Amino acid sequence: DTEVTQTPKHLVMGMTNKKSLKCEQHMGHRAMYWYKQKAKKPPELMFVYSYEKLSINESVPSRFSPECPNSSLLNLHLHALQPEDSALYLCASSLGTSGRNEQFFGPGTRLTVL
Amino acid sequence: DAKTTQPNSMESNEEEPVHLPCNHSTISGTDYIHWYRQLPSQGPEYVIHGLTSNVNNRMASLAIAEDRKSSTLILHRATLRDAAVYYCLHYDNTNAGKSTFGDGTTLTVKP
Repeated sequence: DTEVTQTPKHLVMGMTNKKSLKCEQHMGHRAMYWYKQKAKKPPELMFVYSYEKLSINESVPSRFSPECPNSSLLNLHLHALQPEDSALYLCASSLGTSGRNEQFFGPGTRLTVL
Repeated sequence: DAKTTQPNSMESNEEEPVHLPCNHSTISGTDYIHWYRQLPSQGPEYVIHGLTSNVNNRMASLAIAEDRKSSTLILHRATLRDAAVYYCLHYDNTNAGKSTFGDGTTLTVKP
């Protein structure tokens, strides 16, 4: 199984809602990532988990809260988002965080904040 | 942040080779160079990566300049399915997991 799955595919939420994005991989990878991608822009790194510990937080606002409950799962909890947070949220995983390892990306969750 | 620079767009004819350039003048000695591509409405897909030597795989070849400040992704025979945005990035090996995507090159393949 060489796939990263993300649910849901699409999400529409109001600014007062709380929602979660989920990401799963069963490749035995120990590094997992969240990226944000706006239309016609490259992905921007948000968070990196290594061995279930947060290793990089790219100064992301606290309304985004990541969680890595085990080595196969990665969540992104959303609360009090703004319309400018509407974007494609991509999850990725790799064997480790070394540059020797390629990243495998999921298809993304398309988030719209009203 | 370390950033790469790429041309905004390139065109190729089907079944011809394509050379996609990337400049990464701020690369450090241990940073790997990665290439990914992204088709519309999909997540990025890994293409190839390398450190110093040129690399080949079933999808492409990667030619890395001797000073490592630039690299070229080579698609040997472009097909219509290769039309995508190609991203070059270098992977900061001293800040585990950190990488910054360049703005990407949109490749158009003409039949």
